Amino acid sequence: SQKIEQNSEALNIQEGKTATLTCNYTNYSPAYLQWYRQDPGRGPVFLLLIRENEKEKRKERLKVTFDTTLKQSLFHITASQPADSATYLCALDMSNDMRFGAGTRLTVKP
Amino acid sequence: GAVVSQHPSWVICKSGTSVKIECRSLDFQATTMFWYRQFPKQSLMLMATSNEGSKATYEQGVEKDKFLINHASLTLSTLTVTSAHPEDSSFYICSASVPSGGLYNEQFFGPGTRLTVL
Repeated sequence: SQKIEQNSEALNIQEGKTATLTCNYTNYSPAYLQWYRQDPGRGPVFLLLIRENEKEKRKERLKVTFDTTLKQSLFHITASQPADSATYLCALDMSNDMRFGAGTRLTVKP
Repeated sequence: GAVVSQHPSWVICKSGTSVKIECRSLDFQATTMFWYRQFPKQSLMLMATSNEGSKATYEQGVEKDKFLINHASLTLSTLTVTSAHPEDSSFYICSASVPSGGLYNEQFFGPGTRLTVL
């Protein structure tokens, strides 16, 4: 069965540093992968989508990579700020719906 | 971007009662809506997929007679938790899908509904 794993449940970093979150998957070849931000008690908010034929995608301070050989996506937040503290979810397309990883709770300390 | 609303945002009910949660797409018509459940510190788990005017498709392990889904229009889907029990307490999130004209259908998520069953 398909499996989606996000490297750690929680990640703490200092303000200004780069946060790197990992999403690994098995037994599937998604056409695209998405990253979402979720704040406590709220629904997920879409951040970035990367297609299988794209190696890297950027949006402001965010960068996503997609390695279909390693079956891995990396999500980077550069110059992190306390306001970036949230849970970040990766999601893989499964034909007509999406499956989510468990998320990584990022805390950026001032 | 498109906006999806949910109502209520939270609800507390007694065991054995039924609770209805509404999911609306406010400024677009959603061909497909999805219902997810999320337990604390866990990821979103897809419960069912509903297409307007047809029966919902439930994920394995989700009881369709307990979680009734009605997608009566292109802007409204409802989830009714029937005979709720404390183990049904969770965060329920809906999303609405719109064809983007490309490879994927973009999904927009509602803010979620916190259900607590006493």
